Amino acid sequence: AQSVTQLGSHVSVSEGALVLLRCNYSSSVPPYLFWYVQYPNQGLQLLLKYTSAATLVKGINGFEAEFKKSETSFHLTKPSAHMSDAAEYFCAVSIQGGSEKLVFGKGTKLTVNP
Amino acid sequence: KAGVTQTPRYLIKTRGQQVTLSCSPISGHRSVSWYQQTPGQGLQFLFEYFSETQRNKGNFPGRFSGRQFSNSRSEMNVSTLELGDSALYLCASKRLAGLDTQYFGPGTRLTVL
Repeated sequence: AQSVTQLGSHVSVSEGALVLLRCNYSSSVPPYLFWYVQYPNQGLQLLLKYTSAATLVKGINGFEAEFKKSETSFHLTKPSAHMSDAAEYFCAVSIQGGSEKLVFGKGTKLTVNP
Repeated sequence: KAGVTQTPRYLIKTRGQQVTLSCSPISGHRSVSWYQQTPGQGLQFLFEYFSETQRNKGNFPGRFSGRQFSNSRSEMNVSTLELGDSALYLCASKRLAGLDTQYFGPGTRLTVL
């Protein structure tokens, strides 16, 4: 069965600093990988997705992620944090084969300090 | 194009009652999935419907059920509510039955007293 591990339940950065949110996955078959963002009292918004094409994926709001098969990782980065990036971020995996449900990590809460 | 809509946004119920939540998918999307989000367990898959048929089911008791209508709208029902059912219930839609991107609604916040 597939699984996702997000290292660090809380990450704090200064405004303008690099954002790095870590995600490692476990899957016996090639996965689809996703990053979603959740603002307080809202649903999940898709940031970006990897679906077996280019390994470097660009998303909305300046975020990008790189799929590294050898490291089973899909870390999310943004060169310069903005106050509006403060939210909770979820990495998720989905695989082909009967149940294409999303399996989520526990989430990383990002705080951006002025 | 309108996104996924969920009604109601907030609900307060007491133990033992039942509740029905509604989800309207993005136009043209035929698959609807439901997820439960709690602080302790995180985001967990409940079930998926496609063309009015349940395709997949997560590891939840039979008190949790759902259905999908011919217009792809979906409802989920929880009977005999327990305190532990308090959660944010998220609905997601996608175009296809298989591997595809899921788009989420704003959720229904259920509080069980």
